Amino acid sequence: DIQMTQSPSTLSAFVGDRVTITCRASQDISHWLAWYQQKPGKAPQVLIYKAATLESGVPSRFSGRRSGTEFTLTIASLQPEDFATYYCQQYYIYSSFGQGTKLEIK
Amino acid sequence: QITLKESGPTVVKPTQTLTLTCTFSGFSISTSGVGVGWIRQPPRGALEWLAVIYWDDDKRFSPSLKTRLTITKDTSKNQVVLTMTNMDPMDTATYFCAHKLWGLGGRSHFDFWGPGTLVTVSS
Repeated sequence: DIQMTQSPSTLSAFVGDRVTITCRASQDISHWLAWYQQKPGKAPQVLIYKAATLESGVPSRFSGRRSGTEFTLTIASLQPEDFATYYCQQYYIYSSFGQGTKLEIK
Repeated sequence: QITLKESGPTVVKPTQTLTLTCTFSGFSISTSGVGVGWIRQPPRGALEWLAVIYWDDDKRFSPSLKTRLTITKDTSKNQVVLTMTNMDPMDTATYFCAHKLWGLGGRSHFDFWGPGTLVTVSS
């Protein structure tokens, strides 16, 4: 199985901050990684796929990057609606998710 | 407009078999490249991928749950059914179904999700 290690598990930040969430794969997954945002009581929504491609309709303050087996999601300037939980997902071999990062207002 | 919705029992007893149905609209699962998957999330927990079925009836399962899962599709009804045997309280979770569409490279993320259905395992 491919393990996805996501960090941090919790992140506190202010509106306007730039934040980065990291996901590391236990083996090479090429660029087959997606990032999702989930709000309480709702289904996840895709933000980025193929490591760096922005889903249609997602604000440009979200960006993704790959460096080997390490992937990052960056939010350039946090908005109030961005406080949520974020998950990475590999879909190279079957699928698996990271443990999530809860982004809280400081 | 693609929509999906999960349905099934809200409570099952330990050792029973769970049957969940995903009813969808806006696409056909007989279209080349289309897949429907199941993902679950325990209360206050992380997402866990369970299974996926593709337009050509190819099926993939989570290695840790493979022996307990079955997935089928009914193209005429626009439905995908997941069954999970030998339910345990640890299987209490919200179960989601989701759509995927292969692109270049033959892999894809889940782009549309149902709202989820909470299943509680309790005697």
